[in-house]
Amino acid sequence: DGGITQSPKYLFRKEGQNVTLSCEQNLNHDAMYWYRQDPGQGLRLIYYSQIVNDFQKGDIAEGYSVSREKKESFPLTVTSAQKNPTAFYLCASRDRSYEQYFGPGTRLTVT
Amino acid sequence: SQQGEEDPQALSIQEGENATMNCSYKTSINNLQWYRQNSGRGLVHLILIRSNEREKHSGRLRVTLDTSKKSSSLLITASRAADTASYFCATFRAGGTSYGKLTFGQGTILTVHP
Repeated sequence: DGGITQSPKYLFRKEGQNVTLSCEQNLNHDAMYWYRQDPGQGLRLIYYSQIVNDFQKGDIAEGYSVSREKKESFPLTVTSAQKNPTAFYLCASRDRSYEQYFGPGTRLTVT
Repeated sequence: SQQGEEDPQALSIQEGENATMNCSYKTSINNLQWYRQNSGRGLVHLILIRSNEREKHSGRLRVTLDTSKKSSSLLITASRAADTASYFCATFRAGGTSYGKLTFGQGTILTVHP
C-alpha cells in the first residue's frame, strides 16, 4: 500500500524533554510538510522540504527542528524550547499536481 | 496571516439537505483546494480548482471560484451522516518565499443528522 505513516499515534513526554516524531512516505514524492493543529483550529505550517537535504521554515518553526536525509523520511523534533508543544502533528507529502497527502497524525501531550 | 477564512464555522443540517461552505482569501493564488478531516484523523484531499477555472464537480461535490471576489464555495449535495467532518480550504501560491506552501483556513465543522 502506498501512503504516509506517522508514529506513534499518541506520545506523552515530560516538560523539558526533546521528542522526535516520525514521518515516512512511499509515494516517491519530493516535497514533504509538517503541520501543527490545535483544537478547533486550522493547520499551521512548521517546516517543509522540497527535496532531499533541503528544508525551509514555515510559519511557526521556533522550537522545532527537522532533517531530510532520505526522500522517504522527514522526522520532526519538538525541542524543549517550544513553549506550547501539546498539539496534534500532521505530516504530508505533495505530488506534482499540488495535492497533499496526509498521514494519520501524532497527538503529543507534554506535562 | 491566515490566507483562508471560512464561513460558517459550524453547520448543522439534516441528511438529504445540501451543505454550502464558503472560503475567502487575501492574495492572488494559483489554485485552491478543499480537504476533509474526520475527528482525530489526517486530512483527505477532495478537490482542486485552478485560478483559471470557475467551477468544478466531483461526485456530490461542487466547487466554485471567484477570483475577482477572492472567494470559493464548496457545495455538498444530498448530504449523508457520513459527511460529518471538518472541511478546510487551502490556497496555493507559486513563486517567492511561499513557493510550495499551502495555507489553510480554520475550517467549517459540518454535522449531518440522520
